[in-house]
Amino acid sequence: DSGVTQTPKHLITATGQRVTLRCSPRSGDLSVYWYQQSLDQGLQFLIQYYNGEERAKGNILERFSAQQFPDLHSELNLSSLELGDSALYFCASNSEQGSEAFFGQGTRLTVV
Amino acid sequence: GENVEQHPSTLSVQEGDSAVIKCTYSDSASNYFPWYKQELGKRPQLIIDIRSNVGEKKDQRIAVTLNKTAKHFSLHITETQPEDSAVYFCAASKTGNQFYFGTGTSLTVIP
Repeated sequence: DSGVTQTPKHLITATGQRVTLRCSPRSGDLSVYWYQQSLDQGLQFLIQYYNGEERAKGNILERFSAQQFPDLHSELNLSSLELGDSALYFCASNSEQGSEAFFGQGTRLTVV
Repeated sequence: GENVEQHPSTLSVQEGDSAVIKCTYSDSASNYFPWYKQELGKRPQLIIDIRSNVGEKKDQRIAVTLNKTAKHFSLHITETQPEDSAVYFCAASKTGNQFYFGTGTSLTVIP
C-alpha cells in the first residue's frame, strides 16, 4: 500500500457525461500529480498541485480540470467525455520536490 | 520542457541473463531520476532512484548508472527472474517540477 488513495477504482460512463476522480495523498505530502495512461501507453502528465496551488500543467484538455483542497486531497474533473478518454488515471504524491513519488492504484475509466 | 527517451520499447531475456534499459534526458537541470516497475493493471512502483550528485547506485540485483555529461541513465537488472517481467519506466525531474516519464520498456523474462 503506497498510502495514496484513489476513488473510485472503476468507472463506466457514457459519452458526453462528466465524472470526478478523487485522490488522497500520503499523509504530509503537499504535491499531487495526475497522470493519464491509455491502453499500452506511457504515463502522460496532466497537472500538478502543490499545497493547494496549481504548480504545472501538462497535456491536459480544456474539458478536464482539477483542484486541490485545503485538506490536500485532489479531484480531477472530466467533462464532455469521449471514447478516447477511456484510460487509467493515476495520481501520485510526494513530500518535497525531487523526491520519490508514490502512486495510487488508479481509476480505470471506461467511456461507452 | 524536459524530454525523456527510453529504449528499447520491448526486451526479452532468458532467465538468469541481464537486462539493460537506457534513457536519455534533455534538461541539464534535472536532478532526480527514478525508475518505476508497473505490472499489468497495477500502479507504478519505485524500484530504484538516483540523484544527480551520484554516478551509480545498486540495490541487490538492480543498479542504476547516471552520466550527467551525456545526459543518460540506465537500469541494469542482473540474474533476471520471471517475476521481473513487467513494464519499466524511467523518469526525470528537477526540484519544484513534475516528473517526465519515458515511454516504457516491456520486459519479458523467459523461463
